[in-house]
Amino acid sequence: EAEVAQSPRYKITEKSQAVAFWCDPISGHATLYWYRQILGQGPELLVQFQDESVVDDSQLPKDRFSAERLKGVDSTLKIQPAELGDSAMYLCASRDSYEQYFGPGTRLTVT
Amino acid sequence: AQSVSQHNHHVILSEAASLELGCNYSYGGTVNLFWYVQYPGQHLQLLLKYFSGDPLVKGIKGFEAEFIKSKFSFNLRKPSVQWSDTAEYFCAVNAREYGNKLVFGAGTILRVKS
Repeated sequence: EAEVAQSPRYKITEKSQAVAFWCDPISGHATLYWYRQILGQGPELLVQFQDESVVDDSQLPKDRFSAERLKGVDSTLKIQPAELGDSAMYLCASRDSYEQYFGPGTRLTVT
Repeated sequence: AQSVSQHNHHVILSEAASLELGCNYSYGGTVNLFWYVQYPGQHLQLLLKYFSGDPLVKGIKGFEAEFIKSKFSFNLRKPSVQWSDTAEYFCAVNAREYGNKLVFGAGTILRVKS
């Protein structure tokens, strides 16, 4: 069964450092999402791509976060510089006509 | 803007007990409704969804949910829980007017005692 792949699974970084997360969606899925899930809360959408274009990045803190999906397939989410409040699970999902499929997430700890 | 409220953050039940998890959303237009489950150490996965039609929807593993439009609710039910149902459950909603963006509730952690 096809799955959304994410790496790394865990990342520990110091405040003010740069971090990057990678996502490979299910083959053929044009829509890709990045979510942030803070402990005790539900996932919150950061950015949505349709192919290589950003459809919604209204909740992305653009002063420090960036996301790209250059060839409309895999995607990278970057944080620079990381802050303590960025500690969270970062989830990637891709979508077919009916539902979103989630990857295992990257757990980020900022120290 | 859409929002989703889940009534209980933690629920503890004994095996064979009945389960009902509450979910209310705030949006007056046409919505799609979802319940996702996250078992310990696993991905978020879809439990069931409602798009239209019969407001009582059945999902995997014996779960069902009822959409009550007048109450803006989509409560999740299971007649008899098992230890393996221990997980975190998330209600979510999207609407075409909001680009089909999924908005999640805060989640309910269910622990089933064997």
